[in-house]
Amino acid sequence: QVQLVQSGAEVKKPGASVKVSCKASGYTFASYGIQWVRQAPGQRLEWMGWIITANGKTKYSQEFQGRVTITSDTSASTVYMDLSSLRSEDAAVYYCARWGTVGELDYWGQGTLVTVSS
Amino acid sequence: EIVLTQSPGTLSLSPGERATLSCRASQSVSGNYLAWYQQKPGQAPRLLIYGASSRATGIPDRFSGGGSGTDFTLTISRLEPEDSAVYCCQQFGSSITFGQGTRLEIK
Repeated sequence: QVQLVQSGAEVKKPGASVKVSCKASGYTFASYGIQWVRQAPGQRLEWMGWIITANGKTKYSQEFQGRVTITSDTSASTVYMDLSSLRSEDAAVYYCARWGTVGELDYWGQGTLVTVSS
Repeated sequence: EIVLTQSPGTLSLSPGERATLSCRASQSVSGNYLAWYQQKPGQAPRLLIYGASSRATGIPDRFSGGGSGTDFTLTISRLEPEDSAVYCCQQFGSSITFGQGTRLEIK
């Protein structure tokens, strides 16, 4: 069965960076892209960017341009999301999700809580 | 960027009733690339509907999606207590955006 397993919760200071991993299993890794989405407390889901795992091409939301980097390791079936220059507003649950055939996010990771506090 | 606005904000219905949730886009959604998700507290979203009207794997036929262009609906018939959740829509084009969600309460 398709599974996306994310790394554990993180606590970071303002100005630091965080790297969240997303390990895929149960399907051919390079056949589907991966999206990253976050959700701050009480807020709507917010798209951050995507990666086409077949060729490594990425696209980022303007909101995070310059601060977010998404990479993939095909040999490990793992995608990484790196967010730098953290501020308090970046405190959220971060999700990876598999990118389906018509733009839907068909399988989701369990989420990674990132806390930003001095 | 396409803005998705959902209504109503909260819906309170009884078991067995039908729920109709709306998602309106600020511009036409290309290719009807519109999806619906169910999210319960502390859980990741679960895909219900994709391509505006196709049910995802394992989703019961009580859930149906419709609409095109800028106006989309999610209908849940024969409501059950476990349908209590927040439902949100999502569009895919040059970027991805989500609606703010509709909270469905089953009395």
